[in-house]
Amino acid sequence: QVQLVESGGGVVQPGRSLRLSCAASGFTFSSYAIHWVRQAPGKGLEWVAIISHDGSNKYYADSVKGRFTISRDNSKNTLYLQMNSLRAEDTAVYYCAKDRDTAMDVWGQGTTVTVSS
Amino acid sequence: QSVLTQSPSVSGAPGQRVTISCTGSSSNIGAGYDVHWYQQLPRTAPKLLINANINRPSGVPDRFSGSKSGTSASLAITGLQAEDEADYYCQSYDSSLSGYVFGTGTKVTVL
Repeated sequence: QVQLVESGGGVVQPGRSLRLSCAASGFTFSSYAIHWVRQAPGKGLEWVAIISHDGSNKYYADSVKGRFTISRDNSKNTLYLQMNSLRAEDTAVYYCAKDRDTAMDVWGQGTTVTVSS
Repeated sequence: QSVLTQSPSVSGAPGQRVTISCTGSSSNIGAGYDVHWYQQLPRTAPKLLINANINRPSGVPDRFSGSKSGTSASLAITGLQAEDEADYYCQSYDSSLSGYVFGTGTKVTVL
């Protein structure tokens, strides 16, 4: 079945880095753009970034621009989010989601990132 | 701060009809970008409920329907059921931000 599985979350100190992964299965990964979306504790959904199917185009929310980098390895059916200079306000559950004509039709279960000293 | 505004909460008795509004602007919904709706049950990932304003993905009950007009969109739930108690979010694209935007979210409570 179509599936996305995130990993890599954890507790990290402010200013440090963390890399999230999202493993895809059940569909032709290289044909679809993929998003990262996050949700802070008790808050709503916030779009973070999107990468095109071939990795040639990447777009970011202003809140993470210059600190986060989205990338993908289509040979491994895996999406990544490199997060640098982490701040307390980056604490959230991070989801990857498959794009379908600007909608997000398949979501992973999420991975939790906590930025705290 | 989200550019798509939703009422924080709505409630209804089982069997009733409730509607959730999503108000945007000329740079997102009003610019013609599609609106999508998601349901998030407690402690789970969001699920696509309505895509491209009015379309229900396979498996979504026809109790859920979407509409769009001008700078706003709406989600209606008819025949409200206990299992519909969840948070609901609208989502679109914003040309001014050059990015995707979510609504503030609406909590639906079944009385």
